[in-house]
Amino acid sequence: AQKVTQAQTEISVVEKEDVTLDCVYETRDTTYYLFWYKQPPSGELVFLIRRNSFDEQNEISGRYSWNFQKSTSSFNFTITASQVVDSAVYFCALSEAFKGSSNTGKLIFGQGTTLQVKP
Amino acid sequence: GAVVSQHPSRVICKSGTSVKIECRSLDFQATTMFWYRQFPKQSLMLMATSNEGSKATYEQGVEKDKFLINHASLTLSTLTVTSAHPEDSSFYICSAKGRQYSTDTQYFGPGTRLTVL
Repeated sequence: AQKVTQAQTEISVVEKEDVTLDCVYETRDTTYYLFWYKQPPSGELVFLIRRNSFDEQNEISGRYSWNFQKSTSSFNFTITASQVVDSAVYFCALSEAFKGSSNTGKLIFGQGTTLQVKP
Repeated sequence: GAVVSQHPSRVICKSGTSVKIECRSLDFQATTMFWYRQFPKQSLMLMATSNEGSKATYEQGVEKDKFLINHASLTLSTLTVTSAHPEDSSFYICSAKGRQYSTDTQYFGPGTRLTVL
C-alpha cells in the first residue's frame, strides 16, 4: 500500500531562519512521482514541485530546495531564509506513474505540516 | 498556465437542499478530474475520480447517490451534494490534469467552502 508520512505537524520559525520539512513515503511501485504542494490560508493548493522516481537529482528553485533520497524513501523540502509569506500548510504527496487508461495516478497525501514564520 | 477555477467559492444552504459545485480547467483540456474533501486542520481526502465522458470512480465509503459527479466535457466537472446535511459542511477542492501540461501533475482549484445550516 502507498503511504506518505509527514511527521512534523507544526513548525514555528523566526523570519530568515532555514527550515526543513520532512516527508517519508512507502510504495511498491517502481515508477512513481512525488509532489509538494503549498496551501496558504486562502485554501488553494499551489503546486511546487514534481519528482520522478528515477531522477534523484536534487533541485533548487530560488529559496526552495528539495532532497530526494530513494535509499531512505524520503523527499525533504527546505526553505532557506524563510519569510512570513511562507506561512502555510505544506503537503507532500505520492502517485503511481500514469500508465494511460490502466490507472488514474491518484495522489496519496501526507497529513501536512503547518509552517508558521514569525516576523 | 494550468489554471483551475471553482464556483462558487463559498456557499451556505439549508439542510435538505442540493448544492452544485463547478470545476473548470481554464487553459487546458482536463482528461481527468478529482474531487477532494478537507476537514479543518486535516489532509485532503479523495472522494472520486472522473474521466471525461465516463462515470466517476468513487473511493470506498463515499456515497455515489449523495455526491453526484458529472464530467461532461474536457473542461468542466460538477459535484452535486444532494440533500445536504450539516455533516456535509466541509471544504471541497477539485483538481485536474490533462494533455497540454504534464499528464502526471494535478492542478488544484481554489476550493469551495460549503456550510449547511
